[in-house]
Amino acid sequence: AQSVSQHNHHVILSEAASLELGCNYSYGGTVNLFWYVQYPGQHLQLLLKYFSGDPLVKGIKGFEAEFIKSKFSFNLRKPSVQWSDTAEYFCAVTSGGNNRLAFGKGNQVVVIP
Amino acid sequence: GAGVSQSPRYKVAKRGQDVALRCDPISGHVSLFWYQQALGQGPEFLTYFQNEAQLDKSGLPSDRFFAERPEGSVSTLKIQRTQQEDSAVYLCASSLRTANYGYTFGSGTRLTVV
Repeated sequence: AQSVSQHNHHVILSEAASLELGCNYSYGGTVNLFWYVQYPGQHLQLLLKYFSGDPLVKGIKGFEAEFIKSKFSFNLRKPSVQWSDTAEYFCAVTSGGNNRLAFGKGNQVVVIP
Repeated sequence: GAGVSQSPRYKVAKRGQDVALRCDPISGHVSLFWYQQALGQGPEFLTYFQNEAQLDKSGLPSDRFFAERPEGSVSTLKIQRTQQEDSAVYLCASSLRTANYGYTFGSGTRLTVV
């Protein structure tokens, strides 16, 4: 079964700082990759996804992620965060035609105004 | 409706009590998923329906957990004889076809077993 690793569970940074969240997965075959965000008190929402093509994916709210197949990674980035980016971020993977999403443990990001 | 609706939002159950959690997916969404999210963890897959067929229930942690979707729309997750370790947020998600088209998640039901 695939597994997803997210490090640095708690991240605290100031507004305008750059953010990068790491995501590594274990499955060696074809994968589909996702980043979800959960704002305080809200449900999980899709930030961006990668199926194929350009490995640099742009999502909503200025987020982007880069798929590096050789490193089994799909890191999330934002050049300049805002206070409203305070949320929990989850990386997730489907693989091998399996319909189930495998999630990482999440990154709790707090942006200080 | 516009989104996935789950009820109740909060449920407190005494240990040994049976509970039923409801999910109303987006109308027309074929796929429906249940996930369990323990405190400080990412969601863990429980089970998957395509229309009324339960195609994957490999994530259900024990035979006390049972899910159904009899008419291919509303789904119910039932937990019998609840235990403290069942305390978690139970998330429902639906998708037009497969997970790869992106899920829409509900807000979840927070179950606390005391």
